[in-house]
Amino acid sequence: EAGVAQSPRYKIIEKRQSVAFWCNPISGHATLYWYQQILGQGPKLLIQFQNNGVVDDSQLPKDRFSAERLKGVDSTLKIQPAKLEDSAVYLCASSWDGEAFFGQGTRLTVV
Amino acid sequence: SQQGEEDPQALSIQEGENATMNCSYKTSINNLQWYRQNSGRGLVHLILIRSNEREKHSGRLRVTLDTSKKSSSLLITASRAADTASYFCATSDNTGRRALTFGSGTRLQVQP
Repeated sequence: EAGVAQSPRYKIIEKRQSVAFWCNPISGHATLYWYQQILGQGPKLLIQFQNNGVVDDSQLPKDRFSAERLKGVDSTLKIQPAKLEDSAVYLCASSWDGEAFFGQGTRLTVV
Repeated sequence: SQQGEEDPQALSIQEGENATMNCSYKTSINNLQWYRQNSGRGLVHLILIRSNEREKHSGRLRVTLDTSKKSSSLLITASRAADTASYFCATSDNTGRRALTFGSGTRLQVQP
């Protein structure tokens, strides 16, 4: 069974630039999560989708972050414009019945 | 916001010893899960315990859950150097949304 795929693995951008991350969840998983993990901390939920609908985006900084899940499958997370404090690993996960499967993450460095 | 808080923040033991990590949380839950994260890698699911369960085993892992104290513990028996990683507890609330809220993690170092 293929796991959760994320790309790119690494990204370095200058502040005020924009960046997008892509996630392909495990086939059949209705729930998709995006997490932000700052070095030394636990993952923080940014947004949760159930199929192509948003279930929880209460911690998503909506002035600069956006996410979509077209057709209830792949998802993209965008940051525009990026700030230095956005430097983190962005993790995508999918779930069918509660257990979440994580991708390898995208390590973003904003300089 | 972080729901679970792990204790201790860091733990260093010798190979063969047991490692115990604790997790406390604040709100009612549907289930509690433990994950492992090796340096530079994604999180790997270890075990899920539901709110109506008190103890669960998986190989060298033993998880307990005390809903009255809003706490859980993860015991790794006969630790190995390969167990070196960060361990996180994550809670799923009982609203039906299945959002996973993670704690800050315990960094375990197993010395060979």
